[in-house]
Amino acid sequence: GQQLNQSPQSMFIQEGEDVSMNCTSSSIFNTWLWYKQDPGEGPVLLIALYKAGELTSNGRLTAQFGITRKDSFLNISASIPSDVGIYFCAGQLTGNQFYFGTGTSLTVIP
Amino acid sequence: GAVVSQHPSWVICKSGTSVKIECRSLDFQATTMFWYRQFPKQSLMLMATSNEGSKATYEQGVEKDKFLINHASLTLSTLTVTSAHPEDSSFYICSARDISGPYEQYFGPGTRLTVT
Repeated sequence: GQQLNQSPQSMFIQEGEDVSMNCTSSSIFNTWLWYKQDPGEGPVLLIALYKAGELTSNGRLTAQFGITRKDSFLNISASIPSDVGIYFCAGQLTGNQFYFGTGTSLTVIP
Repeated sequence: GAVVSQHPSWVICKSGTSVKIECRSLDFQATTMFWYRQFPKQSLMLMATSNEGSKATYEQGVEKDKFLINHASLTLSTLTVTSAHPEDSSFYICSARDISGPYEQYFGPGTRLTVT
């Protein structure tokens, strides 16, 4: 299946810094979603985006659905230690067709 | 809301035996559930899409006779790994789409399978 390219692959930041990661695809998607996965657990939905250009926030997290519908970004402001984990983007093509990004591993240094 | 459970959370089995993993949507109904496989430090790989009351749709390269999927009700899907081999050892995660909602998938906590 299709795979979405996420960058950066990993990040090491100081607590309090802002974080930005993005996801790109060669295909157009109708929905973009961002998930966080802690080790040994399933992904947890953070933000869902449904329209091109949409900008949505969830606490310190902000995500945008790219105008071209081929990309999305996720920002985390004022990072804290519990933000550590792997962040995955996912694009939805049709009703049951979801494709996941390669993941961005985030480490927050206290 | 939107809680998905998996059972067992981890299982160790001997080569050649079969293992069943359950996926339940606890507070919503799901006509569609998905089964993923994840290797360490890698992304989720979709194995199959499970539809209530009908046959599952398998992704290319996934053996349907080895990974049996049953979606008998709107809240339960099962994945059975038949004649397991060590290379089947992995983290298996299910997700479910709320029948009343838009397109989000809600994930279970995963099942760690180790085949010895």
